[in-house]
Amino acid sequence: QQQVKQSPQSLIVQKGGIPIINCAYENTAFDYFPWYQQFPGKGPALLIAIRPDVSEKKEGRFTISFNKSAKQFSLHIMDSQPGDSATYFCAASIGTGNQFYFGTGTSLTVIP
Amino acid sequence: DVKVTQSSRYLVKRTGEKVFLECVQDMDHENMFWYRQDPGLGLRLIYFSYDVKMKEKGDIPEGYSVSREKKERFSLILESASTNQTSMYLCASSSRPLPDTQYFGPGTRLTVL
Repeated sequence: QQQVKQSPQSLIVQKGGIPIINCAYENTAFDYFPWYQQFPGKGPALLIAIRPDVSEKKEGRFTISFNKSAKQFSLHIMDSQPGDSATYFCAASIGTGNQFYFGTGTSLTVIP
Repeated sequence: DVKVTQSSRYLVKRTGEKVFLECVQDMDHENMFWYRQDPGLGLRLIYFSYDVKMKEKGDIPEGYSVSREKKERFSLILESASTNQTSMYLCASSSRPLPDTQYFGPGTRLTVL
């Protein structure tokens, strides 16, 4: 059973576009929501993370929007570049636990 | 700089063989994790360890075991490899307090023939 549901599975945008990746969860005990970025041949690396006490967090061109009541969060990439082409994973964890629950991943391609 | 290394990038084994995947981290992290990554399924946790000689089952432990004799090293063992264990295996580590960033190794692409 997938604890965190992610969509879409793949996404193609033109350079400069704003791809949006969505994730949804059911467990209201989750209190930490990171996004990981994975380039081909590499392991995932932390991109940005948010806690449910804020509705938005920005780091450079990457923004997480968080809707606690809807139990959804999303990643927006402003002014996307070909170098952003990668697989993106959302995840969630419970503060006192050891485990991250990952989404199924979104393969993003940014066309020059 | 943070470093998680895995013993092999590519591995080809035959059905029934015993397979060892090694992971080493140089960050003195308490927590270590083994995931498998499959298209459309994302990252699924096999086992994790929060201390030397301690281990906890993840979501898909069947067919796998682990060993953590030293803090920096976490091994994944396939006792009798099967074709459905063909996958990308990722090791990660993190420190306490939780939650904390997980640092991933580059992965081992295992093919079981």
